[in-house]
Amino acid sequence: AQSVTQLGSHVSVSEGALVLLRCNYSSSVPPYLFWYVQYPNQGLQLLLKYTSAATLVKGINGFEAEFKKSETSFHLTKPSAHMSDAAEYFCAVSERGGGFKTIFGAGTRLFVKA
Amino acid sequence: GAVVSQHPSWVICKSGTSVKIECRSLDFQATTMFWYRQFPKQSLMLMATSNEGSKATYEQGVEKDKFLINHASLTLSTLTVTSAHPEDSSFYICSARDTLAGTYEQYFGPGTRLTVT
Repeated sequence: AQSVTQLGSHVSVSEGALVLLRCNYSSSVPPYLFWYVQYPNQGLQLLLKYTSAATLVKGINGFEAEFKKSETSFHLTKPSAHMSDAAEYFCAVSERGGGFKTIFGAGTRLFVKA
Repeated sequence: GAVVSQHPSWVICKSGTSVKIECRSLDFQATTMFWYRQFPKQSLMLMATSNEGSKATYEQGVEKDKFLINHASLTLSTLTVTSAHPEDSSFYICSARDTLAGTYEQYFGPGTRLTVT
């Protein structure tokens, strides 16, 4: 069965600082991996996805993530945080052939300090 | 493209009544849709996978008789919360896969906030 673990329910950074949100996954088959962002009382917006092509994936708003099979990780980074990045971030895994149902991590709340 | 809508965006109902939530794929066909619920400050929990023309597949612990799912067309899935109780108050989010595109990506609706009084 697939699962996702996000390390740190809250992360606080200063504006302009590096953003690092950690995600580890478990999957019995090569997974699809996703990062989503959610603003209060809104649905989810896809930031980026890994689908077995390049291991370094670039997404929207300057975010990127690197798939590391040996570490079963898919950490999300952004070189310079902006105030508008403050939101809830979810890492998710979807197994091929499993109906593509997606399992979400617990989420990480990102705070950006001025 | 790839827009998913939900209706209503928020609803308040009295305990014991039933509430129907619609999920529509506006510009693509979706044989598979998913229903999630999200409690405040928590993650999304998959409730069920909705398949067009067949019965939904429910996740363990989800009462199928309480959360009725109907996926009667390629663009519409509905979730009916029957005999709602305050503990059913939650944020319900649907997602859909673009069948013809043949991709794995899901597109999420904006969510429906249900409050049961």
